[in-house]
Amino acid sequence: AQSVTQLDSHVSVSEGTPVLLRCNYSSSYSPSLFWYVQHPNKGLQLLLKYTSAATLVKGINGFEAEFKKSETSFHLTKPSAHMSDAAEYFCVVRRMDSSYKLIFGSGTRLLVRP
Amino acid sequence: DGGITQSPKYLFRKEGQNVTLSCEQNLNHDAMYWYRQDPGQGLRLIYYSQIVNDFQKGDIAEGYSVSREKKESFPLTVTSAQKNPTAFYLCASSIGETRGNQPQHFGDGTRLSIL
Repeated sequence: AQSVTQLDSHVSVSEGTPVLLRCNYSSSYSPSLFWYVQHPNKGLQLLLKYTSAATLVKGINGFEAEFKKSETSFHLTKPSAHMSDAAEYFCVVRRMDSSYKLIFGSGTRLLVRP
Repeated sequence: DGGITQSPKYLFRKEGQNVTLSCEQNLNHDAMYWYRQDPGQGLRLIYYSQIVNDFQKGDIAEGYSVSREKKESFPLTVTSAQKNPTAFYLCASSIGETRGNQPQHFGDGTRLSIL
């Protein structure tokens, strides 16, 4: 069965310092992986997606994620946090029994301190 | 601009009442979805539709109903059978596909509360 685990429910960083949001996945097949961001009372916005073309995926707003098959990880990083990055982030894997279904992690809330 | 519009933004339901949440998209997407989000949890799939006049139950369909009479519209009815309807409801759409990595695009949600 497929699953995705976000290892931290909350992450707090200072503005200008690096961001690391951790995600591990479980899948018998080569997975399709996504990171989404959600600001308060808003819908989800796609940050980036893993397409198997490259293990290092660049997304919007300076975020990137590295797919590591040996570690079954897809961690999200950003070199320098901005106040506007404060939001909830979801790691998502597509279900292999249906391309229409996604499995969402429980989310990581990022707090950025001034 | 293309996108997904959900209305209303806030909705209140009385006990025993059915309420309908609207979702409209102008992205020309074939597939549409309804999710429920509870505090501290990820999204859970309620219903999805791959094409007009067809829809399937998701993981938590009990107490909900949908229709897909038009490509651009996918309304969700929360019935009185749903005993714990207070949640944030998100509608999404995507290009219809059987493989690939096309993402889902989300509306800004409807927050439903019980009076």
